[in-house]
Amino acid sequence: NAGVTQTPKFQVLKTGQSMTLQCAQDMNHEYMSWYRQDPGMGLRLIHYSVGAGITDQGEVPNGYNVSRSTTEDFPLRLLSAAPSQTSVYFCASSYSDREDGYTFGSGTRLTVV
Amino acid sequence: AQSVTQPDIHITVSEGASLELRCNYSYGATPYLFWYVQSPGQGLQLLLKYFSGDTLVQGIKGFEAEFKRSQSSFNLRKPSVHWSDAAEYFCAVGGSWGYQKVTFGTGTKLQVIP
Repeated sequence: NAGVTQTPKFQVLKTGQSMTLQCAQDMNHEYMSWYRQDPGMGLRLIHYSVGAGITDQGEVPNGYNVSRSTTEDFPLRLLSAAPSQTSVYFCASSYSDREDGYTFGSGTRLTVV
Repeated sequence: AQSVTQPDIHITVSEGASLELRCNYSYGATPYLFWYVQSPGQGLQLLLKYFSGDTLVQGIKGFEAEFKRSQSSFNLRKPSVHWSDAAEYFCAVGGSWGYQKVTFGTGTKLQVIP
């Protein structure tokens, strides 16, 4: 099925560990974004990409890195996990930068202990 | 900076009753407006969107929303709620300048009682 695939679905990390959250889409979307969702705070933009090789920071980029080597993949790296990064992470993609709205993945629930 | 306010954190309605979820936005020009729905443990699904034209827009699952520029609002409505509509609903605003950096509201959780 076409869509946005995120892996893993659940992850527990220890403080200081690093890891990569994977995101892949098969809809040939140029625009991809990472959001984190925390209770009472809605979704906050971490990083986004407007095409392969082009990324930029969102609202809450500290502690995260991204790269976009292909149109399909947009991994999110946690450099040194902190308890404040406990959250649900969503990857989203869209065809156009305005009208289409996003297609979201099903999320990764990350707990940092 | 653009922003979205969803004043109702939690709403409870009876099955078959009508529903209106409120959304107010702040944006300097013509906004792009969206409503998304999130079922428990799932990602967000686009319900409907507005960026120009008719101010009353129809979406999936029988939802509609009306853009009112004078009130900076984009309220979501449904004439008759079904138990399967229980979920969390997010309003979002995007800009018409450059990349669409979308700002989401904090969400309204809908409970449907029999």
